[in-house]
Amino acid sequence: DGGITQSPKYLFRKEGQNVTLSCEQNLNHDAMYWYRQDPGQGLRLIYYSQIVNDFQKGDIAEGYSVSREKKESFPLTVTSAQKNPTAFYLCASRVSAGTQPQHFGDGTRLSIL
Amino acid sequence: KNQVEQSPQSLIILEGKNCTLQCNYTVSPFSNLRWYKQDTGRGPVSLTIMTFSENTKSNGRYTATLDADTKQSSLHITASQLSDSASYICVVSAYSGGGADGLTFGKGTHLIIQP
Repeated sequence: DGGITQSPKYLFRKEGQNVTLSCEQNLNHDAMYWYRQDPGQGLRLIYYSQIVNDFQKGDIAEGYSVSREKKESFPLTVTSAQKNPTAFYLCASRVSAGTQPQHFGDGTRLSIL
Repeated sequence: KNQVEQSPQSLIILEGKNCTLQCNYTVSPFSNLRWYKQDTGRGPVSLTIMTFSENTKSNGRYTATLDADTKQSSLHITASQLSDSASYICVVSAYSGGGADGLTFGKGTHLIIQP
């Protein structure tokens, strides 16, 4: 079945540590996105990518980095510069053209040790 | 500033009853409005998507309406089931001319169905 796979499901970060969240899709979608979800808030866009080897900052990119070396993969690194990383992180993808909705993965919950 | 407001924040109803969730938005220029269902600990799943010219769309027991004049949408759930317990998120897309889709997410309505 086609879909988006995020791993790990749960992740813990120590002070000063960078951690990387994986996002893989087999939907052949061009566009991929990373969102952060905090309790009582709407999803906020961190980074997005329309094509391989290109990505753009979203509304809350500080303290995060991404890469898009392959169409299927869009990993997110939460760096030590992100002082409040505890959140639920969602990856999404969609076809670039038209009004098709985004397809979401099942998220990674990141916590601080 | 583009905004999406959802009400109520949370709702508890008995199994088998109907309910209606509300979404008001100030997003311009409007492109489309989507409703998503998000189970606890899972990613959102698309229920409906409506463009400016559509004022109602159904997906099984879910029916969404859109009034583009008043900038309001509703999601009506008929004959609720325990599996309907979830958060329901309203998302409005603005024509952005760029790659970020111009999406504004509501905070969601947390629905609990009691047996």
